[in-house]
Amino acid sequence: QVQLQESGPGLVKPSETLSLTCTVSGGSISGYYWSWIRQPAGKGLEWIGRISFTGSTNYNPSLKSRVIIFVDMSKNQFSLELSSVTAADTAVYYCARDPGVATPYYSDYWGQGTLVTVSS
Amino acid sequence: SYELTQPPSVSVSPGQTARITCSGDAFPNQYAYWYQKKPGQAPALVIYKDSERPSGIPERFSGSSSGTKVTLTISGVQAEDEADYYCQSGDSSGTFPVVFGGGTKLTVL
Repeated sequence: QVQLQESGPGLVKPSETLSLTCTVSGGSISGYYWSWIRQPAGKGLEWIGRISFTGSTNYNPSLKSRVIIFVDMSKNQFSLELSSVTAADTAVYYCARDPGVATPYYSDYWGQGTLVTVSS
Repeated sequence: SYELTQPPSVSVSPGQTARITCSGDAFPNQYAYWYQKKPGQAPALVIYKDSERPSGIPERFSGSSSGTKVTLTISGVQAEDEADYYCQSGDSSGTFPVVFGGGTKLTVL
């Protein structure tokens, strides 16, 4: 069964770039799409964006100007970079697998999530 | 932007049926998906493509669609079903391909 694990700094300073990596095990990154989703404390889920194994990306329009998602097939990993962060970006960040090609996209396997706090 | 509307909370006694609704202008043209979210755990997909149940999800979970509203039904609710439930879909144009509802807190009395 496929498993996903997020990793990266738990604390990021305001105005800096948040960087997270998701390592996929139990299956190949090839053939699927891979998403990042976040959840601020006490709030709902927010989709950040996704990437295919070929590198094709789709981003949430509200975050598009600050987001980059890229894939490293040799390491079976994909990564998120979110620039110019503020306290509003403090959240638990999840990586997930998307089995579908057509919209609406959805996720069937999720990582456990990692808390990222934006603070000086 | 595109919005999905869920009730903030639903309460039922064990053994009863819980129904959680989600309204969106793009239904029924777009599929709906439902996730269960427990504190400290990753979301779990419980319904996909309106009414399909992933393997391993109990049969008491079902989904339906009618007009601009979709419904997650949990029959014979158990204490372990207490969680937040999120519907998810996208707008008709594809501009917003993934939108989550605000979530519904299911309380098992």
